[in-house]
Amino acid sequence: EAGVTQSPTHLIKTRGQQATLRCSPISGHTSVYWYQQALGLGLQFLLWYDEGEERNRGNFPPRFSGRQFPNYSSELNVNALELEDSALYLCASSLPPGQGNQPQHFGDGTRLSIL
Amino acid sequence: AQSVSQHNHHVILSEAASLELGCNYSYGGTVNLFWYVQYPGQHLQLLLKYFSGDPLVKGIKGFEAEFIKSKFSFNLRKPSVQWSDTAEYFCAVNARSGAGSYQLTFGKGTKLSVIP
Repeated sequence: EAGVTQSPTHLIKTRGQQATLRCSPISGHTSVYWYQQALGLGLQFLLWYDEGEERNRGNFPPRFSGRQFPNYSSELNVNALELEDSALYLCASSLPPGQGNQPQHFGDGTRLSIL
Repeated sequence: AQSVSQHNHHVILSEAASLELGCNYSYGGTVNLFWYVQYPGQHLQLLLKYFSGDPLVKGIKGFEAEFIKSKFSFNLRKPSVQWSDTAEYFCAVNARSGAGSYQLTFGKGTKLSVIP
């Protein structure tokens, strides 16, 4: 089966610009999660979408936003980019989380570099 | 808020040595526990998981982990490591956040280097 796919692989932007990252989940998965992996900070939870709705949000400012489409794919938008937004952005998908015991499957990530 | 601590940033072992990577979490309620591995140039992969039942769980590639509820720990073990185990290992806890929804919280990871 095809895994979680993310595009683009690498994105270079300048301060103040806006970035859009895309994610396609594994077929049959309805939940999509976004994480930021910045150097030295580990994986930080950003957003969780399930059935088109935002279910949970991590401790990030509102300029980080996203959406989930009817086919369960998802976009992460980052507005007013800052230098510290440079990181690897990972998308994961899972079956509906139920009691929190559905493992998440990760994509290869989008490397966002802010100049 | 829940948090996950991995005690070692970088572990260096010779092949055939035994491995134990520590993981402690802070959360008072029911948790679901995971270990993920990221091999060089690859994406994060699930190594093993614990939801309930036998606290000793076995995963892929000979790895196992033991959930000790009283110690809030979920340490990863392997009796004899191979060069191919060189990777970064992440412990993760899935539990209800303050908003009532589940949130997967990761430790900062432990890099394992195995010397042939």
